[in-house]
Amino acid sequence: QKEVEQNSGPLSVPEGAIASLNCTYSDRGSQSFFWYRQYSGKSPELIMFIYSNGDKEDGRFTAQLNKASQYVSLLIRDSQPSDSATYLCAVVLSGGYNKLIFGAGTRLAVHP
Amino acid sequence: DTEVTQTPKHLVMGMTNKKSLKCEQHMGHRAMYWYKQKAKKPPELMFVYSYEKLSINESVPSRFSPECPNSSLLNLHLHALQPEDSALYLCASSQGDRGRGETQYFGPGTRLLVL
Repeated sequence: QKEVEQNSGPLSVPEGAIASLNCTYSDRGSQSFFWYRQYSGKSPELIMFIYSNGDKEDGRFTAQLNKASQYVSLLIRDSQPSDSATYLCAVVLSGGYNKLIFGAGTRLAVHP
Repeated sequence: DTEVTQTPKHLVMGMTNKKSLKCEQHMGHRAMYWYKQKAKKPPELMFVYSYEKLSINESVPSRFSPECPNSSLLNLHLHALQPEDSALYLCASSQGDRGRGETQYFGPGTRLLVL
């Protein structure tokens, strides 16, 4: 079982719609969860981080965490063509040293 | 300012060459990381430095040699690489408080091609 799993997509949504990206993780002791956006040929860019169960909102982005279900999600409201990118879910493993493990990424395509 | 810089942006090297990648941050972070990313794959952790000491080596071949001369600089020395080592090499840094998992900020990467 992979440590962090994401649907690779592509996830295709129309402009203005809500994009929903999902991620599950296997390390029950993990406490820190991140969403990065990566455009083709560029480096990962931090979008959101979340530590506590529930929702965290930042502009058009909402991260949701359910530790009991070992599930993290990212909602993008009012999706724009500029949101088209690969979204990487990342989890810090328990045990110290801030070891960050990435999921394979979900490719999002927002079409006009 | 959350900037991590990396040089060079692109590097082409032969299998007998020796080269170095450089990473720099001026955010006062005390943890720095090297990742390798192949095309259409997620970044994979190679090394972690915490307070200038190597804390994690993810069983990386010895042809990759990391160095942390001071808290702002991180180097990756390359020697006798193989074509399969061609990838995007990413540097990242974080505060280094060793508490709850910290946000890692990535540099733009060095795209390496080994011929």
